[in-house]
Amino acid sequence: QKEVEQDPGPLSVPEGAIVSLNCTYSNSAFQYFMWYRQYSRKGPELLMYTYSSGNKEDGRFTAQVDKSSKYISLFIRDSQPSDSATYLCASRVSGGYQKVTFGTGTKLQVIP
Amino acid sequence: DGGITQSPKYLFRKEGQNVTLSCEQNLNHDAMYWYRQDPGQGLRLIYYSQIVNDFQKGDIAEGYSVSREKKESFPLTVTSAQKNPTAFYLCASSFGPKEGPQHFGDGTRLSIL
Repeated sequence: QKEVEQDPGPLSVPEGAIVSLNCTYSNSAFQYFMWYRQYSRKGPELLMYTYSSGNKEDGRFTAQVDKSSKYISLFIRDSQPSDSATYLCASRVSGGYQKVTFGTGTKLQVIP
Repeated sequence: DGGITQSPKYLFRKEGQNVTLSCEQNLNHDAMYWYRQDPGQGLRLIYYSQIVNDFQKGDIAEGYSVSREKKESFPLTVTSAQKNPTAFYLCASSFGPKEGPQHFGDGTRLSIL
């Protein structure tokens, strides 16, 4: 079992829809959670960085962490064609050097 | 603008050849990382460096080597011992190994001739 699991998609939605992207993880020691957006042939771009449980909002993006169910989500409101990309979730434990564990990514397509 | 610069964008390797991928950052980050990205496999850690003149192997270090002589630079050499080098290589950096998220460059795509 992978430590971070992510549905590869593709996920297709119409422009303006609310998008929900999800990951599950198995390591209960994970404390930091990240979402990256990756366009084709580009490096991942950090969207959200959160610590422990709860919600964090940044513009049209909301990250949600539920540590009780080991579930992390990214919501995109008013989705745009420019949001079409692969979204990677990532997690790591706190304290000392601990590597970041990445999901395999979900490909999102927003159709105009 | 601060950021991470990887070069070249595309690279081709011949049999038996070593190639070096460049990674430079001007974010004043102490820690730097190299990942390999293959379709359907996510990012796998090759090497990481927490500070100048120090680096450690990641999960898939065999066939690769690195150096960290300057804070800003962390080049990766793909040696002829790496039998399946075709992949997208990503360099990342962070303020420290336990401080803040990692930020990525735009990658180098390595292919075999």
